[in-house]
Amino acid sequence: AQTVTQSQPEMSVQEAETVTLSCTYDTSESDYYLFWYKQPPSRQMILVIRQEAYKQQNATENRFSVNFQKAAKSFSLKISDSQLGDAAMYFCALNDMRFGAGTRLTVKP
Amino acid sequence: GAVVSQHPSRVICKSGTSVKIECRSLDFQATTMFWYRQFPKQSLMLMATSNEGSKATYEQGVEKDKFLINHASLTLSTLTVTSAHPEDSSFYICSARDPENTEAFFGQGTRLTVV
Repeated sequence: AQTVTQSQPEMSVQEAETVTLSCTYDTSESDYYLFWYKQPPSRQMILVIRQEAYKQQNATENRFSVNFQKAAKSFSLKISDSQLGDAAMYFCALNDMRFGAGTRLTVKP
Repeated sequence: GAVVSQHPSRVICKSGTSVKIECRSLDFQATTMFWYRQFPKQSLMLMATSNEGSKATYEQGVEKDKFLINHASLTLSTLTVTSAHPEDSSFYICSARDPENTEAFFGQGTRLTVV
């Protein structure tokens, strides 16, 4: 069975600063995808970034990037130049679409 | 990105009645759809995975006779909460996997209140 673990229930960052959200996982698959989703107060789930396991290069989407460590089964999300609109719940998931417990990110002005 | 429409966004039903929630992929064909339940300030709990034309795969602890899932076409999956009780009140979310079998796109969610 695949599992996803997010050990940071809450994180806080100052506007314009950088923050890293952690995620570890376990899977027996050799090829898989990893995702970070964002859920703002509207509760609409939004894909932030995805990583294909067979790609060694870390995925990047504008201010969002990941640190994918396949051997360590770690998949952290880095948000650079944090903005007020980044405040939300962030969930990590494998391609079976089971989510971690989530991290609530607060952005301080 | 692809659009998934979930309807209704809010529904109130009487205890003992059934309520159906629809999930439609508007601009792509979804062979796989997912149904979640989310309690306040908690993560999304996967209830079941449905594949078009076959029976849904339910997660452990989810009553398949209570939460009926039908995925009769490549663009529509439905979740029917049968004989609803107040403890079934929750936020239900659906998602549909895109044809390239990568990320899933989410509906807006349905807030169910059973009175």
